[in-house]
Order: sequence, then structure tokens, then C-alpha cells
Amino acid sequence: DAEITQSPRHKITETGRQVTLACHQTWNHNNMFWYRQDLGHGLRLIHYSYGVHDTNKGEVSDGYSVSRSNTEDLPLTLESAASSQTSVYFCASSSGSNTGELFFGEGSRLTVL
Amino acid sequence: GQNIDQPTEMTATEGAIVQINCTYQTSGFNGLFWYQQHAGEAPTFLSYNVLDGLEEKGRFSSFLSRSKGYSYLLLKELQMKDSASYLCAVRGAGNNRKLIWGLGTSLAVNP
Repeated sequence: DAEITQSPRHKITETGRQVTLACHQTWNHNNMFWYRQDLGHGLRLIHYSYGVHDTNKGEVSDGYSVSRSNTEDLPLTLESAASSQTSVYFCASSSGSNTGELFFGEGSRLTVL
Repeated sequence: GQNIDQPTEMTATEGAIVQINCTYQTSGFNGLFWYQQHAGEAPTFLSYNVLDGLEEKGRFSSFLSRSKGYSYLLLKELQMKDSASYLCAVRGAGNNRKLIWGLGTSLAVNP
């Protein structure tokens, strides 16, 4: 069965370290998204991609970067982790059809100390 | 600005019916989605409305009125497992395929 997986599921890091969260989908979807979810803020879009070599900034992109070298993967990098980036991160993908249903990964809980 | 409003919390009884409302103000409209999110898990897709009216899918139904900027999710024959957060999201118009998310409604189903 097709799926979307994230790794690591849990990570604790220190302020200033570089962190990469992996996202891999086997749906063959063109569209991929990274969200963070925090109490009181709901889901906020960090970066998104509509295809290979395409990346776009979302509403909270500062301090984050992504790259899309193939259809399956969209890794999210925190260049220099900050405590404000402690959050739960969700990767999602969609086919780009009219319904645009998003399929979410299980989430990655990141703690920055 | 763009805004989606839904109640923060709701409580209902097992076996009952509950309606979760969502109102939206967006610069364009190309569909409204409802997702369910259990605590500690990822959101999962429930329904999609792009035309006015009611879409029924088993125990869950979703209604849309574009002229009123209003939608509701109707859950019938509530079960304990329906205790979750319900997220309303609107997709913008044209090539803007990004979703605008509400903060979610936390539903507690009591025995």
C-alpha cells in the first residue's frame, strides 16, 4: 500500500544545531507540504513543493529550508535550531486533483533545548 | 484578511448527534475540507465540499453554503472513538492550492 512516512518520529536537539526531518511518500504525488502544529495556532504551512526542483515558502518559513530532488522525498532542514521551533511537524502530500485530499505522515515531535 | 472560525470545544453523548460549525472569510474559494485528528496522531481526511449542499458519507455528513461562507460537519450515532479534534480547511481559488486551516474543534464524547 502507498504511504507517507516521516523520520525521526521524536528528536531532541540543542539550540544552534542543524536538524533534518525526512519525509518519504510512495503515492507518486506531485504536491508535498510541511506543516508545524502548535497549541493555539493550528496547522501552519512552512514550505511546499508542486514537483521536482520546485519549492515555495509558506507562512512560517524563516529558519527552515527544503529541497525536492525527486518525487518521493521532501526533507525539511532547520539550519540553526531555536527553542521557538519546538513543535510537532507534519509532512503531507496530495495528487493535485480537484479534491486535493492531503495524506499526512505520522508526525515528528521536535524538542529544541 | 482570511479567517476560519470554529468552536474550540464541544461535548456530546454517545449515540447522539452533534453538529460542528465552520465559518470562513477567504479571498477565493475552491473547496472546503474536514479532517479528523485524534490526540497524538496525524489528521485524516473526512470530507470535501465544493458545491452548495449536503454530502453524506456513512455516519458523517458535511454541508456547505458558499453564499454564507458556512459549513458544518454532522456526526450521527456518536461513538467514543469519535472523540477527536475536527479541523475545517478552505482551499483558495485559481492556482493557489494551499489550504487555510481553522484551529479545530475538540469534541469529547461521553458515555
